[in-house]
Amino acid sequence: GDSVTQMEGPVTLSEEAFLTINCTYTATGYPSLFWYVQYPGEGLQLLLKATKADDKGSNKGFEATYRKETTSFHLEKGSVQVSDSAVYFCALVGGADGLTFGKGTHLIIQP
Amino acid sequence: DAGVTQSPTHLIKTRGQHVTLRCSPISGHKSVSWYQQVLGQGPQFIFQYYEKEERGRGNFPDRFSARQFPNYSSELNVNALLLGDSALYLCASSLGSLGDYGYTFGSGTRLTVV
Repeated sequence: GDSVTQMEGPVTLSEEAFLTINCTYTATGYPSLFWYVQYPGEGLQLLLKATKADDKGSNKGFEATYRKETTSFHLEKGSVQVSDSAVYFCALVGGADGLTFGKGTHLIIQP
Repeated sequence: DAGVTQSPTHLIKTRGQHVTLRCSPISGHKSVSWYQQVLGQGPQFIFQYYEKEERGRGNFPDRFSARQFPNYSSELNVNALLLGDSALYLCASSLGSLGDYGYTFGSGTRLTVV
């Protein structure tokens, strides 16, 4: 079945550092790919998405490119802020069986 | 516009009891799906409903059931609660059934089974 693997955290960075959170996937067909963010005590918020190979999703300074050849969708941000501290989930959907999530990466940004 | 609303926000139940969780999707969204998120893990897919029909089911026992109403709201029912059912239950709505538009999540219902 479908699966998503993302780097385990916590990932601790200083403010203004460059961020990369790795995500790779296994799926049949051509899934759509997503990054969701979860702040403490809250539900999930869609951060960005890409629906086909070579698409780049972007939002709030975050970017991720759908790489079919490497089955990857790595999340990047050039300069992180303390307010970016949260748990980030990589996910895919390939049909009507809902989203398949990775285990999440806890990001901690120190001032 | 209201987002996805879930009720109740918190719930404490005893082992063996039954629970019903409710979800109202974003206006115009016809698909509702349910997820279970155990502490420290990613959400796990339970069900998806589209136009009042079940379109997908995850690997959960038959104690879990759901339905979608004509106004597209949905209920998740869990019978014979176990301690392991303690989790955050998330509802998500989407325009279509295949999720290409993305899913919008509610804030969840925190279920504690004692």
